[in-house]
Amino acid sequence: QKEVEQNSGPLSVPEGAIASLNCTYSDRGSQSFFWYRQYSGKSPELIMFIYSNGDKEDGRFTAQLNKASQYVSLLIRDSQPSDSATYLCAVNGGSYIPTFGRGTSLIVHP
Amino acid sequence: KAGVTQTPRYLIKTRGQQVTLSCSPISGHRSVSWYQQTPGQGLQFLFEYFSETQRNKGNFPGRFSGRQFSNSRSEMNVSTLELGDSALYLCASSLWGALDNEQFFGPGTRLTVL
Repeated sequence: QKEVEQNSGPLSVPEGAIASLNCTYSDRGSQSFFWYRQYSGKSPELIMFIYSNGDKEDGRFTAQLNKASQYVSLLIRDSQPSDSATYLCAVNGGSYIPTFGRGTSLIVHP
Repeated sequence: KAGVTQTPRYLIKTRGQQVTLSCSPISGHRSVSWYQQTPGQGLQFLFEYFSETQRNKGNFPGRFSGRQFSNSRSEMNVSTLELGDSALYLCASSLWGALDNEQFFGPGTRLTVL
């Protein structure tokens, strides 16, 4: 079974710090990788997607992909209390079925 | 632009009953995907419809079915409800597909099976 693993957390960081969220996946045929943010009681919203090895930056967010090591990470610079949420990693496996990790809870404290 | 809408937002059913959930995608979006979210299993893919055809299907029993209409609106049906079907059911729409570009999720339908 294809799996996507995330540390459930919570990951607690002070305001202004860098939050680093990690995700590993088992399917080497995976093609695309997504990070979603989900606030409590709300539906997920896409933060970033990445297809190629390396880094992709969008504002305070950077996604990093390493296909050889089968991990994808999300860095949040200058973390704000409003970033406190659960972050879901999603992977498009070779079977074309999106597989989600169970999410990492992030807490940014003032 | 209106977002993804789902109806109803909350539903309470008893074991053995069946239920139909509805999802209206963003205008112009042809792909609708359905997900089940539970605290224990997280977010799990049910199936995806594109232009009225089921394109992909996750690992769920045949009690879970769906369809898509010509206006891209989609329905999901669960027959013979079990207690374990209690979950948040989310639909998401996208232009071309769940795995090709951004998906926009609806607010979800909270199903409770008693």
